[in-house]
Amino acid sequence: RKEVEQDPGPFNVPEGATVAFNCTYSNSASQSFFWYRQDCRKEPKLLMSVYSSGNEDGRFTAQLNRASQYISLLIRDSKLSDSATYLCVVPLDTGRRALTFGSGTRLQVQP
Amino acid sequence: DAGVIQSPRHEVTEMGQEVTLRCKPISGHNSLFWYRQTMMRGLELLIYFNNNVPIDDSGMPEDRFSAKMPNASFSTLKIQPSEPRDSAVYFCASTPPLAGLHEQFFGPGTRLTVL
Repeated sequence: RKEVEQDPGPFNVPEGATVAFNCTYSNSASQSFFWYRQDCRKEPKLLMSVYSSGNEDGRFTAQLNRASQYISLLIRDSKLSDSATYLCVVPLDTGRRALTFGSGTRLQVQP
Repeated sequence: DAGVIQSPRHEVTEMGQEVTLRCKPISGHNSLFWYRQTMMRGLELLIYFNNNVPIDDSGMPEDRFSAKMPNASFSTLKIQPSEPRDSAVYFCASTPPLAGLHEQFFGPGTRLTVL
C-alpha cells in the first residue's frame, strides 16, 4: 500500500459547487497532515494544515479521520481560481522533517 | 522577500552530459529538500539536508545523482551522466528552524529535458 493515496481525478465541477477530496495514509503513527496546492507548471504551496479537530479557512475545510486513516478537503462555493492540483501530505517519519506527497487530485472548475 | 531561488529554470541536454542544478534557500532556513516530479511518479523526495548535513538520501535514484550543500545558502544537485529517464521537474524547498513546523517553501523548479 502506498504511504499516501489520492484519487487523481480530474474532478470537473461547475462554479459554485461543493467538492470534496479524500486521501488515505498508511502510517497510523502520523500526527500531522497537510494539503498543498499546485497550479499548472508551478511549485506546490501550502494550502492548510489538518488538525485532529479539523480546520476551516474560509471556503476550505480539512478534516481528519484517524480510525479510517484518511483526511479530507472540502471546498465550498468553488471558484474558477480553485482549479489546480491538490496534494495530500504526510510527514515521512515522526520527528523528521521530510514529507511524503500524494500524487494529487486535479480539480477543474468550469464556468 | 526573496523566496527559494533555483537555476537554471530550464535545461535541455543530451544523454551522457553532466547536469548541475542549483538552489539558494530562503535566508535563515536550516532545512533544504530536493524533489523530483514526473507525471508517472508524482513528487518524490530525493535528499534532504539539515544544517548543511545530509540527513536522508535514500530517495536518490542511483550513483549518477549527487547532492551537496557547502554552506547554508547554497546547494547543488548533480546528475552525471544524465539519461532520458531523468527528464523531470526538479524542485528545491526549504523550511525554517522551528520545531514541528512542516511548511516547506518551494522554488519555481528546474525543468530538465535529457534528449
